[in-house]
Amino acid sequence: ETGVTQTPRHLVMGMTNKKSLKCEQHLGHNAMYWYKQSAKKPLELMFVYSLEERVENNSVPSRFSPECPNSSHLFLHLHTLQPEDSALYLCASSQRGIGFWGTDTQYFGPGTRLTVL
Amino acid sequence: RKEVEQDPGPFNVPEGATVAFNCTYSNSASQSFFWYRQDCRKEPKLLMSVYSSGNEDGRFTAQLNRASQYISLLIRDSKLSDSATYLCVVTKTGGGADGLTFGKGTHLIIQP
Repeated sequence: ETGVTQTPRHLVMGMTNKKSLKCEQHLGHNAMYWYKQSAKKPLELMFVYSLEERVENNSVPSRFSPECPNSSHLFLHLHTLQPEDSALYLCASSQRGIGFWGTDTQYFGPGTRLTVL
Repeated sequence: RKEVEQDPGPFNVPEGATVAFNCTYSNSASQSFFWYRQDCRKEPKLLMSVYSSGNEDGRFTAQLNRASQYISLLIRDSKLSDSATYLCVVTKTGGGADGLTFGKGTHLIIQP
């Protein structure tokens, strides 16, 4: 399936590195999401972009920085991460936009498995 | 109280049996409800939306109880391929950082 793609699929980085995760959706959707999935924890919504609107989870540390240059692409810039940031980072998209994001089906990418040493 | 709670399981169920599990939510303003399925080391995929009147899709039935604030998923004639983690998702219109919440998931193992 190629609806939502993510690169890289695996990433190992040191705490002083800077890296970026990329997500691309080919579905013409209006909302895109970043999630963090850690072992034994529920998926945690980090950021949402809905057309011109960005919604964020206030508990996400500033070492995670999202960027949405257009409706099809979403990036997550990483810098000075901690070992506890190691997790699966999932991107998703959905059709509905402002005011209604999250209320319809989300299509997930395969995820980037991040390990911070 | 956690926003969305699920029994993590695992539920070990023989093939062909019927299994049901619930998901409770704490926000009475919640408006949209979904069940997603996540296979091991794969991304979540929508299983079904949950409507107020309840809905059925083949062997799967989902129901919503607003008064008691829970949704349920019933799987009949379970197949080996039903083994997965089932995630409950609760959202409210208007978004906001707390507008979309996943449960931890219920792990289901169908045994031959």
